[in-house]
Formats: sequence, C-alpha cells, structure tokens
Amino acid sequence: DQQVKQNSPSLSVQEGRISILNCDYTNSMFDYFLWYKKYPAEGPTFLISISSIKDKNEDGRFTVFLNKSAKHLSLHIVPSQPGDSAVYFCAATQKLVFGQGTRLTINP
Amino acid sequence: NAGVTQTPKFRVLKTGQSMTLLCAQDMNHEYMYWYRQDPGMGLRLIHYSVGEGTTAKGEVPDGYNVSRLKKQNFLLGLESAAPSQTSVYFCASSWGGEAFFGQGTRLTVV
Repeated sequence: DQQVKQNSPSLSVQEGRISILNCDYTNSMFDYFLWYKKYPAEGPTFLISISSIKDKNEDGRFTVFLNKSAKHLSLHIVPSQPGDSAVYFCAATQKLVFGQGTRLTINP
Repeated sequence: NAGVTQTPKFRVLKTGQSMTLLCAQDMNHEYMYWYRQDPGMGLRLIHYSVGEGTTAKGEVPDGYNVSRLKKQNFLLGLESAAPSQTSVYFCASSWGGEAFFGQGTRLTVV
C-alpha cells in the first residue's frame, strides 16, 4: 500500500506565480518529511524538509507546510521560475518512502 | 568527495541472467537505500540498510537481494532477471534525514 501519495501527476503554473504541490501520507509514525526535485537523467536532489514537531519550514522561495491532523504536507514555491520545472517528490522517514511525484511546468 | 556513486550506469540483460549493481558512498552515512523508478510509479523502495551488516525489505523487494558487508557499499543483486525488472535504479545514502542520491542505473531486461 502506498504510504505517501501525490495525487496530482502534473501541474502547470505561470512564471512569477505561486506553485503549490501537495502530498498525503497514511502512517502517523512518520516523523520527518522531505521534498526532492528531479531532472531527467539525474538523481533526485534534496530541496527542503520538515520535522513532525513543526508546522512550517521556509528556505528562500520554498516553504513546506505540515498538517499532522490531516496527514498532509504541501510545498509552496513563490515566485515560480522556469528553472523550477522538474518532477517533485515528497518523502517520509523512517524508511524514506516516496510519493509518485508531480511534474511541475513553469510557463514563461 | 564523490558522494554516491552507482556502477554501472547502463546495462542490458537477457531474461534469466544475473547481475549486481554497486552503490558506494564516501560520506560515512549509516543508512543506504535502493529504489526503482518506473513511469507513473514514482520512486519505490526495494531494500534498505540502517547500518553495516543489516538489511531490510522495502515496498517492492521480490526478485532482489542486497548486502551491506562494508559501511560504504550497498549491493543490489538480481539472481534471475525478468523483463518486469526493466527500470531505472537509484541508490541513496543518509544520516537518517536528508538523503543523497546517485545518478542512476538504467537496466533493460530483454
């Protein structure tokens, strides 16, 4: 069973606007969540993380929000830039399981 | 400091052949992972290790075996390759939080 789910396979956003990527999880024992970005033919690269004791973590244009009661996290990118076009994965420890990914396309 | 290195980068196997994928990390990480990436399926965890000499099953372990004889290496073995194992394989290592990934191995089983 999929413990981490990203229900939107793709998202298209205009340059300069906010991109919001969503992720749901089922295991309440997860204590650390991460977002990764992946370009074709490359390995995923770490973007931002959040501990389960927090509800928000911000790093530059990237902010991750965690709603533990809803078992939901989201990644906000603002403003969105063309270089942000990639596949984004959310993941949860302790086994580091990933969602299916969301392909983000930023349109000029 | 190479990070995480996967060998080989590409391989074509015939059905029934065996092979081993090697993952090496130079960051002294305790945790290591093997994933496969298939279209629409995301990254699925095959096996992982929480330290030298330990291994554990992930989400899709069938048809694969692993070994972690040395802390820096994590081997993924296919004893009898099947076309369903055609995929891109990624290795990663971590201290328990952020994980660092290799560049991937593209495996085709014909």
